[in-house]
Amino acid sequence: SQQGEEDPQALSIQEGENATMNCSYKTSINNLQWYRQNSGRGLVHLILIRSNEREKHSGRLRVTLDTSKKSSSLLITASRAADTASYFCATAVQGAQKLVFGQGTRLTINP
Amino acid sequence: DSGVTQTPKHLITATGQRVTLRCSPRSGDLSVYWYQQSLDQGLQFLIQYYNGEERAKGNILERFSAQQFPDLHSELNLSSLELGDSALYFCASSTPGVNYGYTFGSGTRLTVV
Repeated sequence: SQQGEEDPQALSIQEGENATMNCSYKTSINNLQWYRQNSGRGLVHLILIRSNEREKHSGRLRVTLDTSKKSSSLLITASRAADTASYFCATAVQGAQKLVFGQGTRLTINP
Repeated sequence: DSGVTQTPKHLITATGQRVTLRCSPRSGDLSVYWYQQSLDQGLQFLIQYYNGEERAKGNILERFSAQQFPDLHSELNLSSLELGDSALYFCASSTPGVNYGYTFGSGTRLTVV
């Protein structure tokens, strides 16, 4: 079963608005990462937040992590048409040698 | 260009056949990971190699096998192919350590007919 579950599965907003995606996971982690995938292409690493961090910023991206609730959120501010893609959270589970991906959120930015 | 090279980009083959997918990791990365992405199963971890040795195994079928060579490139072999094996197969590489992200290749789209 998937470790990470994203919510919502799909999100459609107007250009310029903020987009928020959430991720929940089940077990203890070393870190949580967010990736973007344009249709049929490879995944691109966006940001990594360690288990002892609560918030991290990178450009228009803000990630939060709540280990007590086993959840994370990705905020994209001032969205652009080019942000249209699927976004995946991935967890580096403690004691495991792999990243476990969620099912992803499909984000559509309407011009 | 992410630095991870996968070949071929597209592959169409018949059921029962065998194919080999190739991956060259980003320069300096010792770990290679293989993932399968299908519409109904999402991104599934298959197997990881680190500096030539198998380190972790996921939902990899017995019909599938992989190896990492001394020059660190990796191959994923898929045999006795079935229609359900049609998917995108991604290779990723990473720097040693737990707090680094993966660099993904552009994938191989396999279609079994």
